[in-house]
Amino acid sequence: DAMVIQNPRYQVTQFGKPVTLSCSQTLNHNVMYWYQQKSSQAPKLLFHYYDKDFNNEADTPDNFQSRRPNTSFCFLDIRSPGLGDAAMYLCATSSETGIYDNEQFFGPGTRLTVL
Amino acid sequence: QQQVKQSPQSLIVQKGGISIINCAYENTAFDYFPWYQQFPGKGPALLIAIRPDVSEKKEGRFTISFNKSAKQFSLHIMDSQPGDSATYFCAASEENRDDKIIFGKGTRLHILP
Repeated sequence: DAMVIQNPRYQVTQFGKPVTLSCSQTLNHNVMYWYQQKSSQAPKLLFHYYDKDFNNEADTPDNFQSRRPNTSFCFLDIRSPGLGDAAMYLCATSSETGIYDNEQFFGPGTRLTVL
Repeated sequence: QQQVKQSPQSLIVQKGGISIINCAYENTAFDYFPWYQQFPGKGPALLIAIRPDVSEKKEGRFTISFNKSAKQFSLHIMDSQPGDSATYFCAASEENRDDKIIFGKGTRLHILP
């Protein structure tokens, strides 16, 4: 089945130790997103790629970076995680075609714990 | 400035009852209004969506009612079941290449067995 896959599902890191989260998709969608979701809150968009074009949200801290080496993969790098970065990180994709042109397909998320 | 306002924050409904969640938006350029359902520990999944050219859309037990003039839309879950217990997010977006969506703050729904 076509899907959005996130690895790992759970990640524990230490304060200040860089961490990378990965996302892959078999949907061949051209747009990929990274969201941060804290407990009992809505997902908050960090940045997205339209093809290779990177679009950063204005309030995304510089501590968060992203890479998209090809259509299928996208990475979220947190350079120096702080305690406030502990959250669920969601990857999503969308395509310009489909039943709902605007629909975003979400992965299961990576739960990040910062010790 | 919150562009999509959602209420209530939490909702408890008896099994078999009707669950109603309301949302309001400000940006008249929005032209796509999805509802996402999220279970604990999972990513959100599209439940149902509507465009402003229709006032209602029904899929099984789930119905979206849309009032363009009032800039409001709502989700109705008929015959609510314990398996419907989840967090529901309304959202809105504009038709553009990036498909960015603006989420409401979410409603935690609990269906009593």
